[in-house]
Amino acid sequence: AQSVTQLDSHVSVSEGTPVLLRCNYSSSYSPSLFWYVQHPNKGLQLLLKYTSAATLVKGINGFEAEFKKSETSFHLTKPSAHMSDAAEYFCVVRPRGSTLGRLYFGRGTQLTVWP
Amino acid sequence: DTAVSQTPKYLVTQMGNDKSIKCEQNLGHDTMYWYKQDSKKFLKIMFSYNNKELIINETVPNRFSPKSPDKAHLNLHINSLELGDSAVYFCASTPTSGNADTQYFGPGTRLTVL
Repeated sequence: AQSVTQLDSHVSVSEGTPVLLRCNYSSSYSPSLFWYVQHPNKGLQLLLKYTSAATLVKGINGFEAEFKKSETSFHLTKPSAHMSDAAEYFCVVRPRGSTLGRLYFGRGTQLTVWP
Repeated sequence: DTAVSQTPKYLVTQMGNDKSIKCEQNLGHDTMYWYKQDSKKFLKIMFSYNNKELIINETVPNRFSPKSPDKAHLNLHINSLELGDSAVYFCASTPTSGNADTQYFGPGTRLTVL
């Protein structure tokens, strides 16, 4: 069975401080993993993805995530938050061999950035 | 140069009405999807089409009927709308070869049923 758990529904940080959004997954097969971002009243934009190459993945806007198989985690980090990072973030898993592209979404983490 | 587009962006309607949402992608992708995002922001897949053929059909009421006239379009028709259908509906697409993992999402259609 596949599932994605985002450990925090809300994260608040001050501008300029580090961001950590946590994600754990369970998957029957070695998965692909993604982080998507959704700004208010917008669609979803891909931040980064892991597809079995390097375990440390760099994405857009200074975000990166590390795939840790032993911990079944794929946490998203950024060294220094910016006001424009305030958004909803979704951790997503795509099991290998899943029916054409089927994705499983976490319930999202709302990131608030204080000035 | 919009990649995945949806119309309308907002849809407000009365219970019992029938409505359609349209989706088009100009990426040349073979596979398209419909997702529903509820009031708590949870996203769940509803349908998936590959080259106009239905491949994923989640447990969705049969009031919802997707239609794919060609591989660039996937429309969603909803009959007898209910209050619980209020949500944001997202269309997405992906290639079935090459960079097949990434799904590209449309901007969403916010449906409000009164």
